[in-house]
Amino acid sequence: NAGVTQTPKFRILKIGQSMTLQCTQDMNHNYMYWYRQDPGMGLKLIYYSVGAGITDKGEVPNGYNVSRSTTEDFPLRLELAAPSQTSVYFCASSPSTGWTEAFFGQGTRLTVV
Amino acid sequence: GQQVMQIPQYQHVQEGEDFTTYCNSSTTLSNIQWYKQRPGGHPVFLIQLVKSGEVKKQKRLTFQFGEAKKNSSLHITATQTTDVGTYFCAGGQDYKLSFGAGTTVTVRA
Repeated sequence: NAGVTQTPKFRILKIGQSMTLQCTQDMNHNYMYWYRQDPGMGLKLIYYSVGAGITDKGEVPNGYNVSRSTTEDFPLRLELAAPSQTSVYFCASSPSTGWTEAFFGQGTRLTVV
Repeated sequence: GQQVMQIPQYQHVQEGEDFTTYCNSSTTLSNIQWYKQRPGGHPVFLIQLVKSGEVKKQKRLTFQFGEAKKNSSLHITATQTTDVGTYFCAGGQDYKLSFGAGTTVTVRA
């Protein structure tokens, strides 16, 4: 049972480049989240989705975009990468929010140089 | 918006000692969850508290939810090296799960 799968695990981008972080879950969860984790700063919510076709901004959405065309997939798009986007990105899913546990992927470590 | 604060940010503990980490919210929470993240790993769910004044135990870990549902604590007794990591609380409100900054625990053998 795969759970939440993120790809890639590591990536180095040059300033101004774009990329998509992939996230797939096989648990048929409606709720999916993208967080970024900076050292000593905890987890900041970037975007979330409550179901296919529905997305909304979290605390730090600037510089990112998401889509949710299927229940399984929730890709995060970075346009015009900046050094401030250097971070570890976690995707998570849950059957519902706040009332059940969230399952996290292994994370993507992104460096923008 | 909702803010969840955790203290202390770092906790250095002698093996065998007890310690407590605290979580405070600026708003009343529907529930609170606790997660543990090992170094280099991802957050893993530990427990959820829903009721005012609720207390739950997992072996050496005791979790409490405040009467006003605005604060929570995690108490670990007889700390072991396996307790190393960062402990996060997360408050659920609307459709979002907001995380505190975490308490990073190191253990001296």
